[in-house]
Amino acid sequence: AQTVTQSQPEMSVQEAETVTLSCTYDTSESDYYLFWYKQPPSRQMILVIRQEAYKQQNATENRFSVNFQKAAKSFSLKISDSQLGDAAMYFCAYKPPGNQFYFGTGTSLTVIP
Amino acid sequence: DTEVTQTPKHLVMGMTNKKSLKCEQHMGHRAMYWYKQKAKKPPELMFVYSYEKLSINESVPSRFSPECPNSSLLNLHLHALQPEDSALYLCASSQEASGGSTDTQYFGPGTRLTVL
Repeated sequence: AQTVTQSQPEMSVQEAETVTLSCTYDTSESDYYLFWYKQPPSRQMILVIRQEAYKQQNATENRFSVNFQKAAKSFSLKISDSQLGDAAMYFCAYKPPGNQFYFGTGTSLTVIP
Repeated sequence: DTEVTQTPKHLVMGMTNKKSLKCEQHMGHRAMYWYKQKAKKPPELMFVYSYEKLSINESVPSRFSPECPNSSLLNLHLHALQPEDSALYLCASSQEASGGSTDTQYFGPGTRLTVL
């Protein structure tokens, strides 16, 4: 079974500080994709960052970066210089070969002014 | 352009009504998805269409009936729903690569459905 675990239901961060959201996954595949999606309250789910498992280099998108540890099956998201607009539910997602995506239970991030 | 559109944005229906949700994308994606999402929960997969054919049906009750008229459109027909079906219904699409594997999934804004 494919499972994705986000062990932090809620996190908070001070504006301008750095926060790391955790995600682990279980798989026997060697080739797959990992994603972080952001869903602000009552708003659209948008892609934050993606990582291809065969790439050793960690993905980076402006203030967002990941720490991908393939052997440990860990995929954490670091948000630097947190902004009020970063407040949202963050979902980690895993995609093995095929059409299906598997989502974690989500982490609700609060940004404190 | 990574836009997936969904109509309507909000829908209120009685348990005896028949209604449809519509999803559209013009990114040339050949995989399209319906998800159901409850508040503060992850999306739950309902259906996947690949090249306009239903490839995954996650044991969804027959009161939900998907349809893919062409590669850009995805509908979800609703009939005799229950109050517990009230949720946000999300459509998504992704590029179908060779070998049947797809890449990044892009989501629409969703239709917020209330069943009275």
